[in-house]
Amino acid sequence: KAGVTQTPRYLIKTRGQQVTLSCSPISGHRSVSWYQQTPGQGLQFLFEYFSETQRNKGNFPGRFSGRQFSNSRSEMNVSTLELGDSALYLCASSLSLAISTDTQYFGPGTRLTVL
Amino acid sequence: DQQVKQNSPSLSVQEGRISILNCDYTNSMFDYFLWYKKYPAEGPTFLISISSIKDKNEDGRFTVFLNKSAKHLSLHIVPSQPGDSAVYFCLTGDMRFGAGTRLTVKP
Repeated sequence: KAGVTQTPRYLIKTRGQQVTLSCSPISGHRSVSWYQQTPGQGLQFLFEYFSETQRNKGNFPGRFSGRQFSNSRSEMNVSTLELGDSALYLCASSLSLAISTDTQYFGPGTRLTVL
Repeated sequence: DQQVKQNSPSLSVQEGRISILNCDYTNSMFDYFLWYKKYPAEGPTFLISISSIKDKNEDGRFTVFLNKSAKHLSLHIVPSQPGDSAVYFCLTGDMRFGAGTRLTVKP
């Protein structure tokens, strides 16, 4: 069974631009969660989608948004990029809602650099 | 505010000795805790979990202890092996990760 895949793996953008990251969960998994990892803040929860609906949300500004498609694939969008958005963005999938303590399986991440 | 704290950013131990990684939390609403391990250039992988109905869960060389009254959990690795060198994160049931502890096991 294929693992969680994320595209692209690396991305360079400039301030003010927007970016869309993609995540394909493990087949059969219905939940996709997104995390931001930075050296100073560690891993921070962005949001979780389950059955195409956002079910949980972390403490990030509205510039960070996401969506989930009927095949459970998910995209995350960041608008008006700031230098501080440079980070590794990880997505994780699970069978049911991750907040229900179901084990999450992480992708390799997308490293975003904002110049 | 950090609701999940891993106060040791790094830990170095000798191969064969015990590694003890600690995690403190504030939100006791969730009764399930997990540990993840992360190697460079890879996403975190699930390691071991514990629910509040237990105070200990063991899986091979890995044991997690939960002290609910102190809101503290710890991960013990014994014996430690060089392949255990990674960053370890604790995760509470409300999706909050600690900042991670980088474990280095020296041969």
